Amino acid sequence: QVQLLQSGAEVKKPGASVKVSCKASGYTFRNYGISWVRQAPGQGLEWMGWIAAYNGNTNYPQKFQGRVTMTRDTSTSIVYMELRGLRSDDTAVYYCVRSLAGPFDYWGQGTLVTVSS
Amino acid sequence: EIVLTQSPGTLSLSPGERATLSCRATEIVTTNYLAWYQQKPGQAPRLLIYGASTRATGIPDRFSGIGSGTDFTLTISSLEPEDLAVYYCHQYSTSPDTFGQGTKLEIK
Repeated sequence: QVQLLQSGAEVKKPGASVKVSCKASGYTFRNYGISWVRQAPGQGLEWMGWIAAYNGNTNYPQKFQGRVTMTRDTSTSIVYMELRGLRSDDTAVYYCVRSLAGPFDYWGQGTLVTVSS
Repeated sequence: EIVLTQSPGTLSLSPGERATLSCRATEIVTTNYLAWYQQKPGQAPRLLIYGASTRATGIPDRFSGIGSGTDFTLTISSLEPEDLAVYYCHQYSTSPDTFGQGTKLEIK
């Protein structure tokens, strides 16, 4: 069965960086991409970008360009999302989701990132 | 970017009633690339509907979607207590992907 297993919760200080991992299993990793979606406490969903597992091509919305980097390791089927210059409003649950220019059919369990001084 | 506006913000209904949730886009969602998700408290969202009207695997047939262009609707034909959740629409036709702000469904 398809599973996306994310790394554990993080606490970071303002200005720091965080790197969250997402290990995919149960499907052919190279045939799909991974998007990242975040959800601030009590708020809605926000798309942060996408990476193609096959060739590593990425697509980031303007809001996150220059601050987010998504990478993948095809040997371990792991995707990474690094967010730099953390601010208090980056406090959120970060989800990796399987996607291929389409709907988000499988979601990771989420990783809580708390930004606090 | 395409802005999705969901209504109502909160819906309070009894078991067995019909729920109608709306999602309106500021631009045409091409190819009906519109999905609906259910998020129960403390859980990750779950895909319910994609392509505006196709149920995802394992989704009960009391959930249905319809719409095209800029207006889309999710209907739950007969509410069950476990349908308590926040429902989000999502357009994936035009980058950046965007979500509606959600409709909270309360079960009386």
